Amino acid sequence: NAGVMQNPRHLVRRRGQEARLRCSPMKGHSHVYWYRQLPEEGLKFMVYLQKENIIDESGMPKERFSAEFPKEGPSILRIQQVVRGDSAAYFCASSPFSNTGELFFGEGSRLTVL
Amino acid sequence: GNSVTQMEGPVTLSEEAFLTINCTYTATGYPSLFWYVQYPGEGLQLLLKATKADDKGSNKGFEATYRKETTSFHLEKGSVQVSDSAVYFCALSDAGNNRKLIWGLGTSLAVNP
Repeated sequence: NAGVMQNPRHLVRRRGQEARLRCSPMKGHSHVYWYRQLPEEGLKFMVYLQKENIIDESGMPKERFSAEFPKEGPSILRIQQVVRGDSAAYFCASSPFSNTGELFFGEGSRLTVL
Repeated sequence: GNSVTQMEGPVTLSEEAFLTINCTYTATGYPSLFWYVQYPGEGLQLLLKATKADDKGSNKGFEATYRKETTSFHLEKGSVQVSDSAVYFCALSDAGNNRKLIWGLGTSLAVNP
C-alpha cells in the first residue's frame, strides 16, 4: 500500500514564477492537509481539504496561495508570484474518514526561491 | 494561543542509554497530545498519542504520559537502539480539533553503536 506521494521533492523557482506542488494521498484516504515548515520554525497548518472541498484554510496566506483537491487526481498547492520568503518545506498529509488525529505524511517538497 | 515547546537538539546517545525528550504545551481546553517520528528519508509518522489527562501512550518501547498539572508530555525510552535515530516531533490538537495540529520544532536524536 503506497504511502503519501509528494512531487516534486525539490523545486527551484525564480521570484515571480509559479510553484505547483502535488500530493497523492494514501489509497482510501479522502482528507488531505498541507503544512509548511519555514527555516528554524515548526510545522504550520495551512489548509485541510476533502475531495472537491476546502474545509479549513485558516493557515493559508491571503494572497498568492491556493489549494485544491479535485475529484480525480492529486491535491495541488499552488503558489503564484513566488517570493524568497516562500522558500520552505511543504508537507502533505492524509487521513481516512475517522478523526483520530493520526496523519500520514509524505516526505515533503522543498521549494527554493532564488 | 496554543503552543508546543520541545527540548532543543541534537541529542546524541550511546546504544542502550535512557532517552528523555521534553515537551511542554500551552493550551485552552483539553487537547490531544501526539509524538510523531521522522526517520531519514521518510515522512512523519505517528509514534504515540494520549487523549486525556493521565493517559499514557506507548509504542515501540517509547512512552509518554499526559500530565495536565505540569502541562507536559515527555517522551521516554529505557534503552535506545541505533534504529531509533530520527527526528521526533511533539504536537497537540488545536482546540480539540484533531485535524489541525500545532507542532514543536522537532528534536533530532542520533544513537551511536
